[in-house]
Amino acid sequence: DAGVTQSPTHLIKTRGQHVTLRCSPISGHKSVSWYQQVLGQGPQFIFQYYEKEERGRGNFPDRFSARQFPNYSSELNVNALLLGDSALYLCASSLGPQGVANYGYTFGSGTRLTVV
Amino acid sequence: GENVEQHPSTLSVQEGDSAVIKCTYSDSASNYFPWYKQELGKRPQLIIDIRSNVGEKKDQRIAVTLNKTAKHFSLHITETQPEDSAVYFCADNNAGNMLTFGGGTRLMVKP
Repeated sequence: DAGVTQSPTHLIKTRGQHVTLRCSPISGHKSVSWYQQVLGQGPQFIFQYYEKEERGRGNFPDRFSARQFPNYSSELNVNALLLGDSALYLCASSLGPQGVANYGYTFGSGTRLTVV
Repeated sequence: GENVEQHPSTLSVQEGDSAVIKCTYSDSASNYFPWYKQELGKRPQLIIDIRSNVGEKKDQRIAVTLNKTAKHFSLHITETQPEDSAVYFCADNNAGNMLTFGGGTRLMVKP
């Protein structure tokens, strides 16, 4: 049974560019959440999607957007990249919209984004 | 918004000793408190969690305690081993499906 898969694993982009990160949740999980982990810090919540609808948004600028597809996979998009966007981007899947308290998260291995 | 403070930021212990990591949170509505272990270059992995209706939970060498009145919770690792070396994060859930994480504790277990 596959876990949470994220692609790509590593990415180098130039300031001002756009990036798309992808996540496939565990089979049967309908909720996907995105987190940003800057080096040396804890993960910070960006978005949660459930059944293709945004269910939560963290304190991130409008340059960050996401969507969820009918197969429950998800994309995180970041426009006009800044040096400060360099981080590990983690995707977490859970069973339902309130799943983290009932079932916990399973994190993917992340995409390491470097902006130069 | 919710704030989770974690201490210490680094902790060095001898193999076989105990390690304690403490976290405080701000939102009294928080009701779920997981702990994650993250090894270098790897994903955070859930090691233990506790809900607000429980004061203590144990799983072999790991235990978590929760004091809702004081709004703090702690991770206790006994008989530490070199493979326990990692960064540990506490977190809480106060709304929806979102976790608020502490800043992390780098635990080093010296053989």
